[in-house]
Amino acid sequence: QKEVEQDPGPLSVPEGAIVSLNCTYSNSAFQYFMWYRQYSRKGPELLMYTYSSGNKEDGRFTAQVDKSSKYISLFIRDSQPSDSATYLCAMSGTGGFKTIFGAGTRLFVKA
Amino acid sequence: KAGVTQTPRYLIKTRGQQVTLSCSPISGHRSVSWYQQTPGQGLQFLFEYFSETQRNKGNFPGRFSGRQFSNSRSEMNVSTLELGDSALYLCASMSLAGGTTYEQYFGPGTRLTVT
Repeated sequence: QKEVEQDPGPLSVPEGAIVSLNCTYSNSAFQYFMWYRQYSRKGPELLMYTYSSGNKEDGRFTAQVDKSSKYISLFIRDSQPSDSATYLCAMSGTGGFKTIFGAGTRLFVKA
Repeated sequence: KAGVTQTPRYLIKTRGQQVTLSCSPISGHRSVSWYQQTPGQGLQFLFEYFSETQRNKGNFPGRFSGRQFSNSRSEMNVSTLELGDSALYLCASMSLAGGTTYEQYFGPGTRLTVT
């Protein structure tokens, strides 16, 4: 079993839809929970991070962490064609920054 | 502030050769991590360096090695290249700004093709 599980998709939605992306994990030592966006042939770009549990909002993006269920989510409101990319969840513990990534979900937003 | 830079961007090598990739972190960042990205395995952690010391290591064979210099620049080396080493190699730098802060930024990557 992988430490971090993420459905690779692809996920196709119409422009303006609310997108929900999710990951589950097994390591209870994870404290940092991140979401990255990666466009084709580019390096991953940090979108948001959350320390421990809770919600965090940044513009059209909301990240949620439920440590009791070992489940994290990223919501994208009013999705745009420019949001079409691969979204990677990532997690890390304390005492050094070994980050474990999910497989990435490929998102297509159709105009 | 300049981002993470990686050189070269593209590389073609022959099986059995060795290769060295370079990464310059964001100014002020002392932690540098390396990752391998392939379509089949996704993004996998190779190792992390902080103040010239390797702090964390992933599950890769000893053919993969790295080092960090006093100016935080880092290099990774792959010896005796195999076809399966073809991948995008990503470097990421991080500022250890505080206990609840996590800001790791990636470079554009070096695409290595082994023939």
